[in-house]
Amino acid sequence: AQKITQTQPGMFVQEKEAVTLDCTYDTSDQSYGLFWYKQPSSGEMIFLIYQGSYDEQNATEGRYSLNFQKARKSANLVISASQLGDSAMYFCAMRESQDSGGGADGLTFGKGTHLIIQP
Amino acid sequence: DTAVSQTPKYLVTQMGNDKSIKCEQNLGHDTMYWYKQDSKKFLKIMFSYNNKELIINETVPNRFSPKSPDKAHLNLHINSLELGDSAVYFCASSLLGSGRTDTQYFGPGTRLTVL
Repeated sequence: AQKITQTQPGMFVQEKEAVTLDCTYDTSDQSYGLFWYKQPSSGEMIFLIYQGSYDEQNATEGRYSLNFQKARKSANLVISASQLGDSAMYFCAMRESQDSGGGADGLTFGKGTHLIIQP
Repeated sequence: DTAVSQTPKYLVTQMGNDKSIKCEQNLGHDTMYWYKQDSKKFLKIMFSYNNKELIINETVPNRFSPKSPDKAHLNLHINSLELGDSAVYFCASSLLGSGRTDTQYFGPGTRLTVL
């Protein structure tokens, strides 16, 4: 079973509209972290936002916010007032077993959503 | 200013050759990683190093070997390259702890093409 599921392979959105990118995850850990990364066509991986499993409030970073619904195991990324420069691949990722502070587990990534912002 | 750097950015080589990709971070992080992104954009962890010690080693061929001379560097050596090794390889680093400090920051990637 996939640990991270992104059900939208591609999305077209009008400029200035809000965008929601879906992400569901699967883990039996109580402590974990959820991340979103942006990969523009130039190829680099840009960290956007982080949500810890024990965080009671949804994370926000500028125009990015994370709609965290723990019971549903979903961590959707919301981009407000989309811009042409938001066109990119977006990856949801999870890191499990954060509580111990030890172990260097890598991130498990979803397959990504290709977002295209139209003028 | 570059936080995580990789060299080279592009690498084109023949099957059977041996090649290396270098990675350096100046963030003061104690853990470094290598990821492989395939042609479908799927990213998968290959290795991580913490304080010069290999922590995880995913099921990658033993032709791939990470080498870390110090905690700011993690190089990837690949022996006997095969066509299927063609991919983008990303280096990343983080500071182990809990919460947001575990965020991994990625290098620009190295596009490897095996002919």
